[in-house]
Amino acid sequence: EVQLVQSGAEVKKPGESLKISCKGSENSFTRYWIAWVRQMPGKGLEWMGIIYPGDSDTRYSPSFQGQVTISADMSITTAYLEWSSLQASDSAMYYCARRGCNGGSCYLEHWGQGTLVTVSS
Amino acid sequence: DIQMTQSPSTLSASAGDRVTITCRASQNIGDWLAWYQQKPGKVPKLLISKASSLESGVPSRFSGGGSGTEFTLTISSLQPDDFATYYCQQYKSFSYNFGQGTQLQVK
Repeated sequence: EVQLVQSGAEVKKPGESLKISCKGSENSFTRYWIAWVRQMPGKGLEWMGIIYPGDSDTRYSPSFQGQVTISADMSITTAYLEWSSLQASDSAMYYCARRGCNGGSCYLEHWGQGTLVTVSS
Repeated sequence: DIQMTQSPSTLSASAGDRVTITCRASQNIGDWLAWYQQKPGKVPKLLISKASSLESGVPSRFSGGGSGTEFTLTISSLQPDDFATYYCQQYKSFSYNFGQGTQLQVK
């Protein structure tokens, strides 16, 4: 069974840095793209970016380019989402999800449990 | 960037009703569309991929259709467990934008 286990909830102050993680349960982790999705309180899903852990090829949504950094360490089957300077508007639930594809059509097939990030002074 | 627009934003219905949610893409995406269900406080769940391919374990009352720029998610006979928020999501050229969501609520 595919499992993505995310790191725990975080409470941070504006200006602080943060790196949250998403650990895959299987060796094939490096062969699948892993996406990050934001959900602000009471709002919809927003795709942030996606990484291929096998070679760290990373693509960002234009809305999040330059705002966050996505990385991965395939030796420990873990993907990361990082901020260098948090803002209150970064308060949200963040999900990682593994991409699947069917005949060229791709989707987010397996999801982590989510990491709640709260940024408050 | 491809924009996805769902309608309606909110849908009130009763158990047993047949309901349809529409998703429109700002440009042709072929059949590169997925549908997700999310219940409050829960992780999104993939229902349908490739516009009409039902995921394993998803009840057959769910169906997806359409291609190009207009897509539908239909629930043939609403069950109490189906009241949730539904999102469409497109895939084209490493862009995975979601629609804004449709909240399906009890009438």
